[in-house]
Amino acid sequence: GQQVQQSPASLVLQEGENAELQCNFSTSLNSMQWFYQRPGGSLVSLFYNPSGTKHSGRLTSTTVIKERRSSLHISSSQTTDSGTYLCALEYNYAQGLTFGLGTRVSVFP
Amino acid sequence: EAAVTQSPRSKVAVTGGKVTLSCHQTNNHDYMYWYRQDTGHGLRLIHYSYVADSTEKGDIPDGYKASRPSQENFSLILELASLSQTAVYFCASSLTGGAREQYFGPGTRLTVL
Repeated sequence: GQQVQQSPASLVLQEGENAELQCNFSTSLNSMQWFYQRPGGSLVSLFYNPSGTKHSGRLTSTTVIKERRSSLHISSSQTTDSGTYLCALEYNYAQGLTFGLGTRVSVFP
Repeated sequence: EAAVTQSPRSKVAVTGGKVTLSCHQTNNHDYMYWYRQDTGHGLRLIHYSYVADSTEKGDIPDGYKASRPSQENFSLILELASLSQTAVYFCASSLTGGAREQYFGPGTRLTVL
């Protein structure tokens, strides 16, 4: 079946360090999103990025369809970046998202 | 900004009882979705709908029904709740075409005892 692989599963950072999270997918897709899940459970959409590179503050998302991968770069990490980062792909038009298991990020001062 | 609300935010139900989770969106979006999140499985799609009075099965529909009485409202119904349905449930909405970014509600934590 269609799969979404995220790596690493967890990441520990010291405040100020950079990080790169990976999302790999098995077949071509219609769209993809990156989410941040707060420790309390709510989901925040970070990027809708089916292709190319997008920036938002200290975050950068790059999706390369031919290579079947997307990455999320966090620069100058802060303790408030701690949480779980999820990538989600739409394989079939408007038929819902397939989620990866996430990367749990912990940032310490 | 897009708004999706869910009620209740948490619920404790008894095995065999009926549970209804509600979702309301003010985005004027055609598509709505229900997902569940379990430890070890991530979020998985249960049902979705692209128009009022019509619903479609997602990846894990067994044990769930859905109802879309209007564009704004989408309910998830557990006719006979079971222990295995303990999870966090998320509702989402999106546009039909173009950038189909999904907007999520805050989630409902359901515990079946």
